[in-house]
Amino acid sequence: KQEVTQIPAALSVPEGENLVLNCSFTDSAIYNLQWFRQDPGKGLTSLLLIQSSQREQTSGRLNASLDKSSGRSTLYIAASQPGDSATYLCAVQNSGGYQKVTFGIGTKLQVIP
Amino acid sequence: ETGVTQTPRHLVMGMTNKKSLKCEQHLGHNAMYWYKQSAKKPLELMFVYNFKEQTENNSVPSRFSPECPNSSHLFLHLHTLQPEDSALYLCASSRARGETQYFGPGTRLLVL
Repeated sequence: KQEVTQIPAALSVPEGENLVLNCSFTDSAIYNLQWFRQDPGKGLTSLLLIQSSQREQTSGRLNASLDKSSGRSTLYIAASQPGDSATYLCAVQNSGGYQKVTFGIGTKLQVIP
Repeated sequence: ETGVTQTPRHLVMGMTNKKSLKCEQHLGHNAMYWYKQSAKKPLELMFVYNFKEQTENNSVPSRFSPECPNSSHLFLHLHTLQPEDSALYLCASSRARGETQYFGPGTRLLVL
């Protein structure tokens, strides 16, 4: 059974700092890994999707890496801004027939002006 | 806006009520999903539809009944729910299974 863990559970940083969010998963037989952000009371917004054959994806100030063999992904946010404050979720889709999606519980990020 | 809408946004219901949640996507996608998000728990995938056919049911109790009449619409029919079913119910769609999922804003459900 796939399990996804995100560390830290919460993070508070001053504006302008670079930061790293971590995601680990127990079953390396994955199809893809996706990072989302969720604002309070809102749905999820997709940030980056990494296919199992890829090592990383970049979008603006965000960079996500994937090390399938060690069961880890990181989300790097450069030059953080108060608007980055949200909960960041990692989701892993298994390969194989069912392609079940498993989410982590998220990292709550607060960027202080 | 993500192109995925959900109604109602908030719902309060008693344990004997019957209600339905609606999801609509305007993105031309072929896969649609229902998720449950409870406080301090990870999102749980409930149902998956691909080209209107249900391809996944993750051991969801029968008091939750999904319906997908076409690729653009997805319903979740609720009947005799329990207080522990109170949660945020999220709908998502993707062009195909395994591709980026786009989420709606969710329906906040409270069961009394």
